[in-house]
Amino acid sequence: AQRVTQPEKLLSVFKGAPVELKCNYSYSGSPELFWYVQYSRQRLQLLLRHISRESIKGFTADLNKGETSFHLKKPFAQEEDSAMYYCALSPSGGYQKVTFGIGTKLQVIP
Amino acid sequence: EAQVTQNPRYLITVTGKKLTVTCSQNMNHEYMSWYRQDPGLGLRQIYYSMNVEVTDKGDVPEGYKVSRKEKRNFPLILESPSPNQTSLYFCASSLSGSLFSLHFGNGTRLTVT
Repeated sequence: AQRVTQPEKLLSVFKGAPVELKCNYSYSGSPELFWYVQYSRQRLQLLLRHISRESIKGFTADLNKGETSFHLKKPFAQEEDSAMYYCALSPSGGYQKVTFGIGTKLQVIP
Repeated sequence: EAQVTQNPRYLITVTGKKLTVTCSQNMNHEYMSWYRQDPGLGLRQIYYSMNVEVTDKGDVPEGYKVSRKEKRNFPLILESPSPNQTSLYFCASSLSGSLFSLHFGNGTRLTVT
């Protein structure tokens, strides 16, 4: 069975501080990992895909197969980063079941 | 505008009264799916569809039905709603394969009394 674990329900950081949102996964095959973000009063939207290896809004995430992790990082937090962040996993090719973590609320303190 | 549209946004109903939540996308996506979001549980997948007439169960399919007769529509049906189905529901769609990434609707808040 596939599983995604986000150990922190709430993460509070000061503006300008580094941010790391943790995500660990369990899957026997070759997964695709994603980060989705939900800003206040907006719909969920894709932030990052591991397959793209890109940086969006200053966020990056590296897939570590040895540690089965896909942590989301940003060197300097901004107030507009405050949102709910979800890590998600799907089997390679994306045709099947998609599993989300419980989400981490990021609060950036001015 | 490319989007996923869910209706209604809010729905209050009583136990046992059949209801349907509609979902439509205008992006010609093959993949569509339904999720429920509950506090402390995140998003859990109810059903997904890989294409027309192809559907499969997610993690929490009990009490729900879906159909995919057309590519653009993927309604969620609750034949006999119960209070434990009170939740926030999201529909999402995606292209398949290497371009896979979910596009979400605005959500439907359902209350079953």
